[in-house]
Order: sequence, then C-alpha cells, then structure tokens
Amino acid sequence: DQQVKQNSPSLSVQEGRISILNCDYTNSMFDYFLWYKKYPAEGPTFLISISSIKDKNEDGRFTVFLNKSAKHLSLHIVPSQPGDSAVYFCAASVGNEKLTFGTGTRLTIIP
Amino acid sequence: DAGITQSPRHKVTETGTPVTLRCHQTENHRYMYWYRQDPGHGLRLIHYSYGVKDTDKGEVSDGYSVSRSKTEDFLLTLESATSSQTSVYFCATAGISDGELFFGEGSRLTVL
Repeated sequence: DQQVKQNSPSLSVQEGRISILNCDYTNSMFDYFLWYKKYPAEGPTFLISISSIKDKNEDGRFTVFLNKSAKHLSLHIVPSQPGDSAVYFCAASVGNEKLTFGTGTRLTIIP
Repeated sequence: DAGITQSPRHKVTETGTPVTLRCHQTENHRYMYWYRQDPGHGLRLIHYSYGVKDTDKGEVSDGYSVSRSKTEDFLLTLESATSSQTSVYFCATAGISDGELFFGEGSRLTVL
C-alpha cells in the first residue's frame, strides 16, 4: 500500500519555465513533508521541507505547497535550470518517525 | 555532506550466498537507516537504528538483518541472497529523528 504517491514518473519542462512536481498521500497522520533530489549514481539530497502547520514554504527558486484537505503537496521550481534535471522524491513522516518516500518523478529540463 | 561511506559500491553475487553491506558515518549521528531503491517503488525502508544495538524493522525487512555495534557503523546482511534482492541500497543518517536525512552514494547489488 503506497501511502505516498507520485503519479507522474517523468516530466519535461523548458528551461526558464516553471516546473511543478506533485505528490499525494493517504495517511492523514503525516505531519512533516520533504522533497529530495537525486542525480544518477548519487544518493538523494535534501531539498526543502514543510510542516503540516504551514501551507507554503519557500527557499530561493523552490517552493513547496501543502494542501492538507486534499492530501496533496507540490514542489514548484521557477525558473527551471538544466541543473534541476534529476529524480525528485517526496517523503512524509508521522510525529518525528521514519520517512515514507514516494516513487519519484524524473524531471528533465530542456535547454 | 554527512561523511557517509558505503561499501562495497558494487557487488555481483549468486543466489544463496550471504552478503554484507557496510555503512560508515563520521558525523556521530544517532539515527541510521537502510533503504532500497527499485523502479516503480522509490525508496523503501528496510531497517533502521536509533542507537547502538537498538534497531527496528522497516516496511521491507524480510530476508535482511542489521547490526549496530558502534555509533559509526551500520551493517546490512542478506543471509541468503535472492534475485529479488537485486537493488540499489542506500544508507542514511540523521542527527535527530525528524531531521534531514543524509544519504550515502549507494551500493548496487546484483544477485544472479
């Protein structure tokens, strides 16, 4: 049972445009959400997080939005750059417990 | 960079043989995790540790065991490897339980 779902396995976006990656979850107890970025042959690296008490968190070009009623979060990257091409994983946790990851979305930025 | 080293980085083995993957960290992080990454499944937690000699099972723990005798080392053992355990294995650490996870570079295991 996949509690965290990323329904788009891949996404292609023109350089300079906005990239929007989506994530849905089923466990209403999740209260902390994160996005990780992964390049080939490397481990994932932390990108941005959001607590359930917020609906938006911004860090430079990256913004994460949380819609608790819809059990949905999204990552916006603007403007998209070639170096953003990677696999993005969303993750969630309950009360400081271990993270549950989604299946990942491969983002390709087209120059 | 949390100073996480995984070994071996690549291994090919045969069905039925034992395999041990090692994770070594230099950050004195309390929490350590083993994940596997498979197409269509993302990252799935195998086992984790919240201190020396304190370990617990994750969502895909069958066929795996772990040990943590020192803060810096977390070993993942496949007692008798099967082809379904062909995967990329990632070790991760965290200073606090809800903190950012720092991942190693991964160990690619192929079981023939």
